[in-house]
Amino acid sequence: KQEVTQIPAALSVPEGENLVLNCSFTDSAIYNLQWFRQDPGKGLTSLLLIQSSQREQTSGRLNASLDKSSGRSTLYIAASQPGDSATYLCAVSGTGGSYIPTFGRGTSLIVHP
Amino acid sequence: GAVVSQHPSRVICKSGTSVKIECRSLDFQATTMFWYRQFPKQSLMLMATSNEGSKATYEQGVEKDKFLINHASLTLSTLTVTSAHPEDSSFYICSARPGGPNTGELFFGEGSRLTVL
Repeated sequence: KQEVTQIPAALSVPEGENLVLNCSFTDSAIYNLQWFRQDPGKGLTSLLLIQSSQREQTSGRLNASLDKSSGRSTLYIAASQPGDSATYLCAVSGTGGSYIPTFGRGTSLIVHP
Repeated sequence: GAVVSQHPSRVICKSGTSVKIECRSLDFQATTMFWYRQFPKQSLMLMATSNEGSKATYEQGVEKDKFLINHASLTLSTLTVTSAHPEDSSFYICSARPGGPNTGELFFGEGSRLTVL
């Protein structure tokens, strides 16, 4: 059974810092990995999708990498802003059945001015 | 990106009543939708996989008679919480993938906050 772990669980930083959020998974036979953002009381917003054959994806200040063999992904946030404050979740989709995604518990990020 | 809409966003009901939550894919067809439950400060717990035209696949520990899922069309899945009790109060979220269950990006609805009095 796939297990997804996110470290750190919480992070509080001053504005402007570059951040690295970590996601690890136990089964490397994945279809894709997706990073999401969740604001309090809201649904999930997709940030980046990395297919299993890819090593990284970039969108604006966000960069996500994937090392499938070691079961790791990192989300890099450059020049953090208070508006980046949210919970960041990674989800790993397996290759069997309905490609059901397994979620980590998330990293709660606070960027203070 | 693709749009998944959920309704209602908030619902308050009395204990013993049933509540229906709708999940619609607005600009794509979804043969498979996923229903999740989220407790405060917790991650998402998969409840069931909703399959268009067939029965839903429930995760272990989820009561299928309690949480009725119907996926009658390629753009609509519904979750009905039957005879709701206070312990059913939670945040329910649905998701879907454009192009089928095994392709590409997963998109989520806005979530539905259920409070059972």
